[in-house]
Amino acid sequence: ETGVTQTPRHLVMGMTNKKSLKCEQHLGHNAMYWYKQSAKKPLELMFVYNFKEQTENNSVPSRFSPECPNSSHLFLHLHTLQPEDSALYLCASSQDIQGVTYEQYFGPGTRLTVT
Amino acid sequence: GQNIDQPTEMTATEGAIVQINCTYQTSGFNGLFWYQQHAGEAPTFLSYNVLDGLEEKGRFSSFLSRSKGYSYLLLKELQMKDSASYLCAVMDSNYQLIWGAGTKLIIKP
Repeated sequence: ETGVTQTPRHLVMGMTNKKSLKCEQHLGHNAMYWYKQSAKKPLELMFVYNFKEQTENNSVPSRFSPECPNSSHLFLHLHTLQPEDSALYLCASSQDIQGVTYEQYFGPGTRLTVT
Repeated sequence: GQNIDQPTEMTATEGAIVQINCTYQTSGFNGLFWYQQHAGEAPTFLSYNVLDGLEEKGRFSSFLSRSKGYSYLLLKELQMKDSASYLCAVMDSNYQLIWGAGTKLIIKP
């Protein structure tokens, strides 16, 4: 149990659908992240929130829209996705975005398939 | 550009020792991390190195040479449950984590 939960664990959606991924952390952390993990590729950082404020947006297409209502919850809203968006989407949290120790705690991920 | 290199896949025998290498080229350095990820599960933190040298934690050790842009993860007394992917990540000068693609470690009886 890592203290970071994600729902749903699996999602299949058509290209015209709208869906949302949810992440919740129970660790009292201040920073939360969305990553995309594709097979045999490095983790791609998508968004970073620190104290509910977005601090990074790594050139992510607008069909991905994050929302962070408070330090414990993070959402990723999806609309008009493409088949190449099929991947494992991981949420993570850390105490802060800077610091000597910067361990990130990951959720189990949402396996997304776009048909 | 920033780059992290590690082998795609390695195979080792139960009870043996394996060393997984990681080389990096990043803009600045604020530490190097190793994570373990079992298939279908979340990555979990293994180690953090910011100074040169060897950090030992039970059966796992991690080494760093900043001058060479090089690290390795050493796993001793391998067990079947060590079969997983091992991810190397470097924190750059902007405190962003740059990730390698991971090394899939296969343990054979």
